[in-house]
Amino acid sequence: ETGVTQTPRHLVMGMTNKKSLKCEQHLGHNAMYWYKQSAKKPLELMFVYNFKEQTENNSVPSRFSPECPNSSHLFLHLHTLQPEDSALYLCASSQETGDGYQPQHFGDGTRLSIL
Amino acid sequence: QKEVEQNSGPLSVPEGAIASLNCTYSDRGSQSFFWYRQYSGKSPELIMFIYSNGDKEDGRFTAQLNKASQYVSLLIRDSQPSDSATYLCAVNMGSQGNLIFGKGTKLSVKP
Repeated sequence: ETGVTQTPRHLVMGMTNKKSLKCEQHLGHNAMYWYKQSAKKPLELMFVYNFKEQTENNSVPSRFSPECPNSSHLFLHLHTLQPEDSALYLCASSQETGDGYQPQHFGDGTRLSIL
Repeated sequence: QKEVEQNSGPLSVPEGAIASLNCTYSDRGSQSFFWYRQYSGKSPELIMFIYSNGDKEDGRFTAQLNKASQYVSLLIRDSQPSDSATYLCAVNMGSQGNLIFGKGTKLSVKP
């Protein structure tokens, strides 16, 4: 069992639906991340939060909307997604972002399929 | 464009052999380097990190870093079938905690 928990593990949704992905970390970390992993592509960083403040939005389309109510919880709200958004969405956490030496720990991911 | 390059493989080695996984990166100022193992359908799992030039050993794993050549490698000694997975190289190329990942090398250890 990892210290980073993601729900749901699998999600199938239509292009007009609205859904949310949830991530919770039990490691006492202050930074949380959303990544997208597609087949034959490297992990793509989407968003970074450090002490609840968004520090990075890696040119992600507005149909993805993150929310970080506290240092332990991170959400990704989804609406009007496209078939190319089908992928594995991974959440990660680290102690903080400041010095770049902190390793990131990943959750098990949500496998998202857009019909 | 900041990039991390890995040979996608598959790299096939017999059980008990040494597996050598390689990674190059584009930003000469990079400071920290991480190796993750990802089993099929699972999340990436941190197995090694290295910050200084030279070798760092942890059990059967050795990470090697050469900043002048912008090269980092992972050696797995006495490879086991359970080591079969995709190995991701990740590099921190800035002052923030943002990692740039390679596409990963798929390793297959044959009994």
